Amino acid sequence: EAGVVQSPRYKIIEKKQPVAFWCNPISGHNTLYWYRQNLGQGPELLIRYENEEAVDDSQLPKDRFSAERLKGVDSTLKIQPAELGDSAVYLCASSPSLPRTGPNTGELFFGEGSRLTVL
Amino acid sequence: SQQGEEDPQALSIQEGENATMNCSYKTSINNLQWYRQNSGRGLVHLILIRSNEREKHSGRLRVTLDTSKKSSSLLITASRAADTASYFCATRNEYGNKLVFGAGTILRVKS
Repeated sequence: EAGVVQSPRYKIIEKKQPVAFWCNPISGHNTLYWYRQNLGQGPELLIRYENEEAVDDSQLPKDRFSAERLKGVDSTLKIQPAELGDSAVYLCASSPSLPRTGPNTGELFFGEGSRLTVL
Repeated sequence: SQQGEEDPQALSIQEGENATMNCSYKTSINNLQWYRQNSGRGLVHLILIRSNEREKHSGRLRVTLDTSKKSSSLLITASRAADTASYFCATRNEYGNKLVFGAGTILRVKS
């Protein structure tokens, strides 16, 4: 079974330029996450989708960041315009839908990440 | 914001030795998870322990959870060079809808 696929793996841009990252989650996983990981830090959640609905985007800097998950499968994260401080690894993860009752595992499956360098 | 704090920040041991990493958190949890991240790669789930569990084993991994102290430890026994990686604890809140990662422990196993 294919894992979470992200592209591009690496991107170098100049500040004020736009950039977009793409994620294809594991088939059947309804929950999709975008995390940002700064150097030497743990991942921090940017946005979580349940199917096509963004259910938690409280940490997404909405002035320059946008995300979409059309048809509840693939997702795109966009930054426009990019700033120097946006240099980081952008990680996509997916998981089966969280059950409303009963045992909750909540294990996440991560892609390899997209490393962004803003010059 | 990061809920978990790992200790130590970095650990260097010889192959064959045991490695212990600790994680402390602040709020009530549903479960606590440990992930490994090799350099330049994504995170890989290692083990999950629920809030009503105290200890769990998986191969060479042993995880303990003390909810009264809001802390967890990950023990890797008989370490190998291939265990060299960053290890992150992540806590899922009591409602189950948020998973928050700590800053990680960098483990280096020397052969």
